[in-house]
Amino acid sequence: DAGITQSPRHKVTETGTPVTLRCHQTENHRYMYWYRQDPGHGLRLIHYSYGVKDTDKGEVSDGYSVSRSKTEDFLLTLESATSSQTSVYFCAIRGLPANTGELFFGEGSRLTVL
Amino acid sequence: KQEVTQIPAALSVPEGENLVLNCSFTDSAIYNLQWFRQDPGKGLTSLLLIQSSQREQTSGRLNASLDKSSGRSTLYIAASQPGDSATYLCAVRKDSNYQLIWGAGTKLIIKP
Repeated sequence: DAGITQSPRHKVTETGTPVTLRCHQTENHRYMYWYRQDPGHGLRLIHYSYGVKDTDKGEVSDGYSVSRSKTEDFLLTLESATSSQTSVYFCAIRGLPANTGELFFGEGSRLTVL
Repeated sequence: KQEVTQIPAALSVPEGENLVLNCSFTDSAIYNLQWFRQDPGKGLTSLLLIQSSQREQTSGRLNASLDKSSGRSTLYIAASQPGDSATYLCAVRKDSNYQLIWGAGTKLIIKP
């Protein structure tokens, strides 16, 4: 158990509203990731973080922003949600030792944008 | 550009059989390869991580092998059980700071 908690686990919202998903980890891992998973596309990286206030874009970052003000929390924000952002969002952390590169995932947050 | 392929996309076998899942990658210069399982509606569970210097890793009834020269990894499941039913994904990392490249997964069904 890598101690990853995602919230909310399920959310339904309307187009144009802001949405924030939270990923919380309890084991002080440096690297954290946000992925989305869609049928036919598999897992795609949105943003990742390699430390407090250190973040970078993944392959599908448009329409998303992230923040990491504390080691334990990595927030994913949709400033103005669109129907194309309906997806299952997974947070992941890189386990220790970090140089092994092993990833551990949270349970996911299912977002529906109407 | 690294591409990862998992064939077949779906596999159904009777309980008790030994089976092999395949993962192919186009660039042999990898840092490591990781196998995951995903149950419906759930997150991904890490099964095995193989570093580029390793040939295989074992955990219980699971054995993963890596052959970089042929661009192939296999996940061997011994004495399959209905609880093994899930989607199995492999992912390749190019270097320690590079992101994972994912296969599309193999959906495995074990029939009682």
